[in-house]
Amino acid sequence: DGGITQSPKYLFRKEGQNVTLSCEQNLNHDAMYWYRQDPGQGLRLIYYSQIVNDFQKGDIAEGYSVSREKKESFPLTVTSAQKNPTAFYLCASSISSFPRSPLHFGNGTRLTVT
Amino acid sequence: GENVGLHLPTLSVQEGDNSIINCAYSNSASDYFIWYKQESGKGPQFIIDIRSNMDKRQGQRVTVLLNKTVKHLSLQIAATQPGDSAVYFCAENGGNAGNMLTFGGGTRLMVKP
Repeated sequence: DGGITQSPKYLFRKEGQNVTLSCEQNLNHDAMYWYRQDPGQGLRLIYYSQIVNDFQKGDIAEGYSVSREKKESFPLTVTSAQKNPTAFYLCASSISSFPRSPLHFGNGTRLTVT
Repeated sequence: GENVGLHLPTLSVQEGDNSIINCAYSNSASDYFIWYKQESGKGPQFIIDIRSNMDKRQGQRVTVLLNKTVKHLSLQIAATQPGDSAVYFCAENGGNAGNMLTFGGGTRLMVKP
């Protein structure tokens, strides 16, 4: 089955620690995205990457970092600089060569920082 | 659920009735719109999309209407079923060259058996 795998589903960290969320896709999509979701709000774009070794900041990139060394993988690091890291994180992918195409989402990672 | 808002607008309908979920979008440059369904603990699931050169598009039991004049999008679900209970999000592309989407705040649909 093709799809997007995010792991782990739940993640707990102490304040001040960096943490990396995994996102892997086997859809052969060029573009990948990270969104953050908070209760009572829609999804907000953190970072996106349209090709390997290239990525761009989204609307709320401060305190986050990403890498795109492989087409299939787009890990997100939540750094200690992120002031309110507890949230539900969603990874998505799409076909870059077809700009008006939907994003396909994984099932998210719930990060709790205490 | 952990990832749905406690203060989302809620639409409650009886099983078998039709549902209409509304969305006001903000960017007049947007030319591509999508509706997603999100169940508790899961990622958003694509339902239907529409481009700005259309004002209506139909899928299986769902219809999306686009009114560019007032920047309004709606999702109609026919013969609503308990399995339709979820949070529904509209998204717009802001007219950007890529697929970066801006999401609305979501509406919770509750279907009463």
